[in-house]
Amino acid sequence: QKEVEQDPGPLSVPEGAIVSLNCTYSNSAFQYFMWYRQYSRKGPELLMYTYSSGNKEDGRFTAQVDKSSKYISLFIRDSQPSDSATYLCAMSSTGNQFYFGTGTSLTVIP
Amino acid sequence: GAVVSQHPSWVICKSGTSVKIECRSLDFQATTMFWYRQFPKQSLMLMATSNEGSKATYEQGVEKDKFLINHASLTLSTLTVTSAHPEDSSFYICSAIDTGRNQPQHFGDGTRLSIL
Repeated sequence: QKEVEQDPGPLSVPEGAIVSLNCTYSNSAFQYFMWYRQYSRKGPELLMYTYSSGNKEDGRFTAQVDKSSKYISLFIRDSQPSDSATYLCAMSSTGNQFYFGTGTSLTVIP
Repeated sequence: GAVVSQHPSWVICKSGTSVKIECRSLDFQATTMFWYRQFPKQSLMLMATSNEGSKATYEQGVEKDKFLINHASLTLSTLTVTSAHPEDSSFYICSAIDTGRNQPQHFGDGTRLSIL
């Protein structure tokens, strides 16, 4: 079983839709959770960083962590064509070793 | 926010040459840096972890003599692809963290390496 599971998609939504991206994990020791956005031929860009459980909101983005279910989510409200990218989840228990999902490819159609 | 600069962004060279890629943390001290390789439409593949002042830790299957990593200062790590061949063509990305503050990884913009 992989440490982190993420549906690769591709996911295609109309502009303005709410997007839900998810990852599950198996290691209960994970306590740092991250979401990255990666455009083609660019490095991943940090979107959200959460410690332990709970929600975190930043503009149109909301990250949720449910440690009891070992499940994390990223919601994008009012999605825009510029949100079209690959979204990677990542997590860590110590802050020194990180485990990444395979990434979900998102396309927002104008 | 934390900025990681990677240089060059794109390099094309002949088979057999060595290529050096630099990764710099511009506004923080990076005690740990990571080097990744990414093939088209695939996820990140960790190659090695480097800690400032010590030898890099390579992932299984990554040739140490092929991919030389140096992390001589708290703001600079380099990856040298020695005697590069076409199969080494890929997208190489570095990242850095300041472990003293439990911060996430911040990535450079990647280097596209094309070996002819």
